[in-house]
Amino acid sequence: SQTIHQWPATLVQPVGSPLSLECTVEGTSNPNLYWYRQAAGRGLQLLFYSVGIGQISSEVPQNLSASRPQDRQFILSSKKLLLSDSGFYLCAWSMGRGEQFFGPGTRLTVL
Amino acid sequence: DQQVKQNSPSLSVQEGRISILNCDYTNSMFDYFLWYKKYPAEGPTFLISISSIKDKNEDGRFTVFLNKSAKHLSLHIVPSQPGDSAVYFCAARLDSNYQLIWGAGTKLIIKP
Repeated sequence: SQTIHQWPATLVQPVGSPLSLECTVEGTSNPNLYWYRQAAGRGLQLLFYSVGIGQISSEVPQNLSASRPQDRQFILSSKKLLLSDSGFYLCAWSMGRGEQFFGPGTRLTVL
Repeated sequence: DQQVKQNSPSLSVQEGRISILNCDYTNSMFDYFLWYKKYPAEGPTFLISISSIKDKNEDGRFTVFLNKSAKHLSLHIVPSQPGDSAVYFCAARLDSNYQLIWGAGTKLIIKP
């Protein structure tokens, strides 16, 4: 069966510090991978998605970037965090255009 | 521009009764609709989906209805159980890409 891992679970970072969130998927090959953010009391906002190694599509211009160095690894990064980057970050995977399956999420607080 | 709307932020239902969660959409190019359930501090869990060529899909206690002419879908949970208390998200997929467009969610509270 497939599993998806995200870490860390929670993170508190000062403004201006860098960020690296990692997501890995097990039990499948060549998945589509997604990064979402959920702000408090709101729906999910798609940040990036990837259909293959090195292929990244950005949906929202912002202070963040994503990379896919390996087939089942997806990384969300920032060089300098802003207060507005605080939120709940979710990684998800799918096979093709099918249902998306989510990881446990990372709660990021920027102070 | 909110293409997927869940107009009820919260809904309270007695245990054992039917819970009906609603979702409206504006884009006629959506070809697939999904419902997810989310507990606090966890990722959403896929519940049930429906293709735009169907009007009903059932899975155990969960049934999703699609009314294309009204651009409306609903999730019925029968009977409602305490473990159903969560936030429910409606999502829709465009027929041309991978992106899911999400509603803002409805918090369902099941009262004992």
